[in-house]
Amino acid sequence: SAVISQKPSRDICQRGTSLTIQCQVDSQVTMMFWYRQQPGQSLTLIATANQGSEATYESGFVIDKFPISRPNLTFSTLTVSNMSPEDSSIYLCSVATGRSNQPQHFGDGTRLSIL
Amino acid sequence: GQSLEQPSEVTAVEGAIVQINCTYQTSGFYGLSWYQQHDGGAPTFLSYNALDGLEETGRFSSFLSRSDSYGYLLLQELQMKDSASYFCAVRPRMDSSYKLIFGSGTRLLVRP
Repeated sequence: SAVISQKPSRDICQRGTSLTIQCQVDSQVTMMFWYRQQPGQSLTLIATANQGSEATYESGFVIDKFPISRPNLTFSTLTVSNMSPEDSSIYLCSVATGRSNQPQHFGDGTRLSIL
Repeated sequence: GQSLEQPSEVTAVEGAIVQINCTYQTSGFYGLSWYQQHDGGAPTFLSYNALDGLEETGRFSSFLSRSDSYGYLLLQELQMKDSASYFCAVRPRMDSSYKLIFGSGTRLLVRP
């Protein structure tokens, strides 16, 4: 299975600032996704990161707040912009091969706290 | 849309068997997956049911019944390390992106 590295692993940020989270995969993958997991809650999909084109956002998430880049098949970034305490959460990158019977694999996540 | 409901918490004794249910309302999906997540860790894949019936992987088994809109994860010979959160998830059929929609999650506590 793919090895996924997420950076930073955690951060504490000031209200109103922005933070970019990086996701690096050790092999080329078709699909990359970004999820949010609030404390004690389930995973909510933010967007699908598309290589070479704009990300596809889920309902409730917008590009201005969560800009995403995917310059190649092994790397993606998620920026959390103009942060507020409500953005305190775990942000997870995941990858998929594009085969329906193959599982998604997740990075260890970025634990973000906003003061 | 899709929604997947799970019990919020289950407690069981070490060595016992526990079943975690997942009931769903969805317009169609390719298969039902199960993921395990320890506190502070990443979700890890456990099992996948593409078709109705039982899939067995060691101590873990998963079952799907599309006619009943229901699935479950069965954990046998429970160990303390099985204490974790468990999520069912589906890939919507009407979407070509391979994204997953996750259930509400079940926190399993294994007691000695």
